[in-house]
Amino acid sequence: GAVVSQHPSWVICKSGTSVKIECRSLDFQATTMFWYRQFPKQSLMLMATSNEGSKATYEQGVEKDKFLINHASLTLSTLTVTSAHPEDSSFYICSATRGADIQYFGAGTRLSVL
Amino acid sequence: GQQLNQSPQSMFIQEGEDVSMNCTSSSIFNTWLWYKQDPGEGPVLLIALYKAGELTSNGRLTAQFGITRKDSFLNISASIPSDVGIYFCAGRYSNYGGSQGNLIFGKGTKLSVKP
Repeated sequence: GAVVSQHPSWVICKSGTSVKIECRSLDFQATTMFWYRQFPKQSLMLMATSNEGSKATYEQGVEKDKFLINHASLTLSTLTVTSAHPEDSSFYICSATRGADIQYFGAGTRLSVL
Repeated sequence: GQQLNQSPQSMFIQEGEDVSMNCTSSSIFNTWLWYKQDPGEGPVLLIALYKAGELTSNGRLTAQFGITRKDSFLNISASIPSDVGIYFCAGRYSNYGGSQGNLIFGKGTKLSVKP
């Protein structure tokens, strides 16, 4: 158990458009979901933490109006990159916990903004 | 802020050799996790540690939670080509008052295995 599905796995979009990434916990209810960003050959950088039904908590330096997070249910969180620009191109990864400390990760979404 | 130092940054070894990597923190952690990430994929949990001194194995992998609670190591015995990837340590510390800090990741150890 503890499978986290992330969709899409790869998206290419034009500058100025918005992109939505979905993160689903398939076989458990996630008390908390996390969104990370990873640059090439770098570690994971936490962007925000979200709990179902409440506003996400953003890390310092992450623009909440730029990266909209919605956690509508215990199995689904979405990250919307609004008005994407080339500098937003990156690998975005979500994770989910089901009460314990262990975070289970999705397979990631590679965003390329042209 | 909290920092994790993971070493080595990269390793290039011969198939069959044993591998050892470690992480140290500037603060006391109450959880240590080890993940492996393949290119273009999300990290996959290998081992979770919750108690100081705990030694846990998962097949050819063994990890230990340091008794000082400020370090952890991961060993891979008899490496094989599919062990190639980036290994991340991650830890969680306790804030004063008992609240949990976020998971902090090391910068990763890139493992290359030569057949």
